[in-house]
Amino acid sequence: GAVVSQHPSRVICKSGTSVKIECRSLDFQATTMFWYRQFPKQSLMLMATSNEGSKATYEQGVEKDKFLINHASLTLSTLTVTSAHPEDSSFYICSARPGGTGDQPQHFGDGTRLSIL
Amino acid sequence: QKEVEQNSGPLSVPEGAIASLNCTYSDRGSQSFFWYRQYSGKSPELIMFIYSNGDKEDGRFTAQLNKASQKLSLLIRDSQPSDSATYLCAVDTGGFKTIFGAGTRLFVKA
Repeated sequence: GAVVSQHPSRVICKSGTSVKIECRSLDFQATTMFWYRQFPKQSLMLMATSNEGSKATYEQGVEKDKFLINHASLTLSTLTVTSAHPEDSSFYICSARPGGTGDQPQHFGDGTRLSIL
Repeated sequence: QKEVEQNSGPLSVPEGAIASLNCTYSDRGSQSFFWYRQYSGKSPELIMFIYSNGDKEDGRFTAQLNKASQKLSLLIRDSQPSDSATYLCAVDTGGFKTIFGAGTRLFVKA
């Protein structure tokens, strides 16, 4: 159980394009989902916490107008990278936790490798 | 600021040996503790979780928690080359967020 599906797995596009990444919890409801970014050989960096039915909470230094998060249902959160530029190229990973808070672990999607030309 | 510290490694062990990975955390109120494995180019996958002091065993993996010293450990018995990966320690302080360590790279030599 606790499967998180992330789509697409890889995106290559031109500078200025907006890219949408979907994160779905397949067998549980997730009131909270998380979006991470990871550059090569670096650690996971939490970008934002996505809350179903309300605004996302962004970490310091993450531009909320550039990284739009929508969590419209208990099983789906989306991250849209608006007007992407080469410096936005990275590995984006979502995660979700069954039951929201508490002692349940986060389960990760397979990640999306974004390459902006 | 709540922190989770790990030695970045690499930790190199021969095949068949025990690999010992360690992690310390700063928030004494932490409730739940996790170990994730991340292969190069892949996303993290959960391998162990532990909530109370002591040891928890699952196959070749043993998680150890010592709340007094705020230390979490992962032992991998009979290490295999396929265990070569980065191991992330993660701590949940009871809120929405989980704090992740930067990870320890493990290399198992055949």
